[in-house]
Amino acid sequence: AQSVTQLDSHVSVSEGTPVLLRCNYSSSYSPSLFWYVQHPNKGLQLLLKYTSAATLVKGINGFEAEFKKSETSFHLTKPSAHMSDAAEYFCVVSEIGNEKLTFGTGTRLTIIP
Amino acid sequence: EAGVAQSPRYKIIEKRQSVAFWCNPISGHATLYWYQQILGQGPKLLIQFQNNGVVDDSQLPKDRFSAERLKGVDSTLKIQPAKLEDSAVYLCASSLDPANRGPGETQYFGPGTRLLVL
Repeated sequence: AQSVTQLDSHVSVSEGTPVLLRCNYSSSYSPSLFWYVQHPNKGLQLLLKYTSAATLVKGINGFEAEFKKSETSFHLTKPSAHMSDAAEYFCVVSEIGNEKLTFGTGTRLTIIP
Repeated sequence: EAGVAQSPRYKIIEKRQSVAFWCNPISGHATLYWYQQILGQGPKLLIQFQNNGVVDDSQLPKDRFSAERLKGVDSTLKIQPAKLEDSAVYLCASSLDPANRGPGETQYFGPGTRLLVL
């Protein structure tokens, strides 16, 4: 069985400071890992994904995540937060050969002006 | 390229009434998914179609929920009768045919239908 745990339900950072959203996963097989973002009243948008290639994955809008098998983690980072980054972020896991996505409970990111 | 389309965007009904949601996936996407997202939670898969066949409906409450994708393109999700706990956002997503996709194929999501059951 696969699962993800998002360690923070809410993160607040000041504009221009780094962002760290934490995610741990559990998977029986080789996982694919994703980060999706959801802005209010908008659909889910893919930020980035890991599929067993490079462990450091770069996504859109300056976000990146590092797959660490030894720590079963896939934390999302951004060097400098922007007001437009305020949204809900979901860490998601699927197993290779199985398209089923399992979502975390989400982390709400607030940006302080 | 047009994204996943859903309608209506909002719906308010009373309990025990019925409701239907419509989804049109991205052109050429053979796989279609319906998710339920309850406030404060991540989306949960209800049903997955491959063309017009059901691949996974293990999480679909079949006593009240039904879904179809008759021509392998657009899809409808119905709830009858609705309960208070069905209040949620219903998301539709689509992805490429498994024969044409690699590992970790991206699912593309529509804007969702927000349902409130009173």
